[in-house]
Amino acid sequence: EVQLVQSGAEVKKPGESLRISCKGSGYSFTSYWITWVRQMPGKGLEWMGRIDPSDSHINYSPSFQGHVTISFDKSITTSYLQWSSLRASDTAVYYCARHLDPYDSKGGFDYWGQGTLVTVSS
Amino acid sequence: DIQMTQSPSTLSASVGDRVTITCRASQSISSWLAWYQQKPGKAPKLLIYKASSLENGVPSRFSGSGSGTEFTLSISSLQPDDSATYYCQQYNSFPTFGQGTKLEIK
Repeated sequence: EVQLVQSGAEVKKPGESLRISCKGSGYSFTSYWITWVRQMPGKGLEWMGRIDPSDSHINYSPSFQGHVTISFDKSITTSYLQWSSLRASDTAVYYCARHLDPYDSKGGFDYWGQGTLVTVSS
Repeated sequence: DIQMTQSPSTLSASVGDRVTITCRASQSISSWLAWYQQKPGKAPKLLIYKASSLENGVPSRFSGSGSGTEFTLSISSLQPDDSATYYCQQYNSFPTFGQGTKLEIK
């Protein structure tokens, strides 16, 4: 069974750093791009960026470029989303999702993590 | 960025009704469009990909159509479980989502 399991909720202060995770199982992790999506409280879905675990190729949305870092560790089939300096406006639920077709940066995201709530407040 | 505009923003219908949600792209995206259903506190669920292909396990009352800049998601016979917010998403270029359509069951 394909699963993406994300790390638990976080409460941080502005300026702090954070890394959240997304562990894939039940499929060939390096065959499918992983995407990250933000959902601010009561708002819609925003695409943040994607990573190809087969060659580490990463694309970022211009809206998020420079503020977050996407990475992965294929030895533990886990992707990460990282901030070096959080802002209050980063308060949101963050989802990872698997692209529909293997080796295809286009998608269609067919499996999603359960979401990680990040709260940034002083 | 390609902008995706959904209409209506909210929709109220009765069990058994046929409902249609429209999504317009700011430029042609061929058939690179997906539809998702999201219930409160849950992750989105893929319903349709490549504009009209039904994802495995999704009830056949859901269907998608369109190409270019105009797309529709239809639910042929509304069920109580269909109460949710629906999003379109283009993937012709860097993905972008529509703003969502909240579907309520009367």
